[in-house]
Amino acid sequence: DTEVTQTPKHLVMGMTNKKSLKCEQHMGHRAMYWYKQKAKKPPELMFVYSYEKLSINESVPSRFSPECPNSSLLNLHLHALQPEDSALYLCASSQDGLSEQYFGPGTRLTVT
Amino acid sequence: GQQVMQIPQYQHVQEGEDFTTYCNSSTTLSNIQWYKQRPGGHPVFLIQLVKSGEVKKQKRLTFQFGEAKKNSSLHITATQTTDVGTYFCAGLETSYDKVIFGPGTSLSVIP
Repeated sequence: DTEVTQTPKHLVMGMTNKKSLKCEQHMGHRAMYWYKQKAKKPPELMFVYSYEKLSINESVPSRFSPECPNSSLLNLHLHALQPEDSALYLCASSQDGLSEQYFGPGTRLTVT
Repeated sequence: GQQVMQIPQYQHVQEGEDFTTYCNSSTTLSNIQWYKQRPGGHPVFLIQLVKSGEVKKQKRLTFQFGEAKKNSSLHITATQTTDVGTYFCAGLETSYDKVIFGPGTSLSVIP
């Protein structure tokens, strides 16, 4: 199984809402990532978890809060987002922090 | 900090023509990865190059890693409409612990 799943596929939320994005992989990968991707731009790294510990936080605003409940799951909690946070949010996993990454299909987020 | 650049930004080719995208890093890389993202899709891993001067082939795709491990290229022979998408290189710098994506090259193939 080389699949990374993400839910929901689409999300529309107001600026006062709280929502969560979920990501799951069953490849036994020990590194998991959150990326933000705007149209016609490359994925922009937000967070990296290695062995369930947050290893990289790319100075992301605190309105984004990651969580890694176990080695297969990764969540991204959203609170008080801004319209400019609208984007495709991609989850990825890799065997370790240096290997190829497997991306999920993403969550298309719209903040109104 | 580390920068990864790609050229061209866009390329339009007639079906059957060849295509090349170039990736350059401001610093020496431990490895370089290539990904393809179809319109409306997500990045899909194509290949990883690790050794200086390495060349790898996947059917019509040829990947090269420069001798100095600071540049790479992806060449597609006889493009097909299925090759449409954005090709990203992603470099891992020796002294860093994360992969940096280049801006991508968007390929359009005219049938």
